Amino acid sequence: AQRVTQPEKLLSVFKGAPVELKCNYSYSGSPELFWYVQYSRQRLQLLLRHISRESIKGFTADLNKGETSFHLKKPFAQEEDSAMYYCALSGRASSNTGKLIFGQGTTLQVKP
Amino acid sequence: GAGVSQSPSNKVTEKGKDVELRCDPISGHTALYWYRQSLGQGLEFLIYFQGNSAPDKSGLPSDRFSAERTGGSVSTLTIQRTQQEDSAVYLCASSPLSIGGAGTDTQYFGPGTRLTVL
Repeated sequence: AQRVTQPEKLLSVFKGAPVELKCNYSYSGSPELFWYVQYSRQRLQLLLRHISRESIKGFTADLNKGETSFHLKKPFAQEEDSAMYYCALSGRASSNTGKLIFGQGTTLQVKP
Repeated sequence: GAGVSQSPSNKVTEKGKDVELRCDPISGHTALYWYRQSLGQGLEFLIYFQGNSAPDKSGLPSDRFSAERTGGSVSTLTIQRTQQEDSAVYLCASSPLSIGGAGTDTQYFGPGTRLTVL
């Protein structure tokens, strides 16, 4: 079964502290993994994808196929990082429609 | 450029009524998706369009839900005989095209339509 699990509903940290948002997945095939973010009163937007191997706004995420994880990390949290974060996957097979399977989301709260 | 737009932004309806939700994708985007964001269920895929056809309708929760897309552009999601459990935010997303085997294009989301069924 295709599934994305984000075990934490809420993660609260102080400004400057490291952040790790957890994401585990199950997928029978070759997945593509994403992190989407929704800031307050804004629309859902792509933060990063594992294929790009980029660092966006100081965030990184490494795909660990052995542990089927794609955790999102940032060494020093900023108040403007406060938002809802969704981990998502899509299949990479030729029959792929591109539809996204989302986790339940984690609210990150960065306190001053 | 203009992003994905959705209308109405809010819709309150009575149980049993039909509703239509509209999505205007980014011009030129051939792939269009509908998702539903509800408390307790998170974000769920509903339906995917490639052009005007819908090769994947697997997420539609019941036959009360239908969607169409015309001119490879605007899409309408229709919910008939609404129920209270249909209350949710309905999100539309578009992407340039859906590529199999070579990765998945970024999806650009609209602001959503908040549906409340009384």
